[in-house]
Amino acid sequence: DIQVTQSPSSVSASVGDRVTITCRASQDLDNWVAWYQQKPGRAPTLLIYAASRLQSGVPSRFGGSGSGTDFTLTISSLQPEDCATYYCQQANSFPRTFGQGTKVEIK
Amino acid sequence: QVELQQSGPGLVKPSQTLSLTCAISGDSVSGDIVAWNWIRQSPSRGLEWLGRTYYRSRWYWQYAPSVTSRIVINADTSKNEFFLQLESVTPEDTAVYFCARDYGGKYLDFWGQGTLVTVSS
Repeated sequence: DIQVTQSPSSVSASVGDRVTITCRASQDLDNWVAWYQQKPGRAPTLLIYAASRLQSGVPSRFGGSGSGTDFTLTISSLQPEDCATYYCQQANSFPRTFGQGTKVEIK
Repeated sequence: QVELQQSGPGLVKPSQTLSLTCAISGDSVSGDIVAWNWIRQSPSRGLEWLGRTYYRSRWYWQYAPSVTSRIVINADTSKNEFFLQLESVTPEDTAVYFCARDYGGKYLDFWGQGTLVTVSS
């Protein structure tokens, strides 16, 4: 299985701050990576696919980049409603695997 | 708009079979560019993809190696539903189970609401 490692496991930032989350894979994923947001008690929702494409309806302050083994999710200006846990997922091969999550909190 | 509505028991005894249903509205279970997935989430294992089914002139299945010996995912086109069966469950199978669609084979764009399944006697 492809291992996907996220960092940091948690981040605390102020409203308006730029937040960056990284995802590193054990094998080359090309650009087959997605990012999801999950709020407590809810299912994950798709934010970014193909490493950098914004899912319809997702605010433009969310952005993704990277290829190969290293990927990044950026929130350009953190908003209170962005408090959630974020996961990366590799879609290059089966079984699909997820990172362990990054919890984002407001200071 | 695609909606997935999950149903099934929240408590299963050890060694028995976990069975969940995902009812689809706004899409077809036999659609030719979609697949239908089951994922689970627990504190110890995080998000774990279990498997999927899809129709391309016939039905196909893909399962995670961790559960392949005891999982079945199938579909009912007349009801536009798909199902998860996980046999011989143990307390380690306690988790929130989600159904989800992938469009184009890669990304999970619509999810069910989740079902907490506890394995306990």
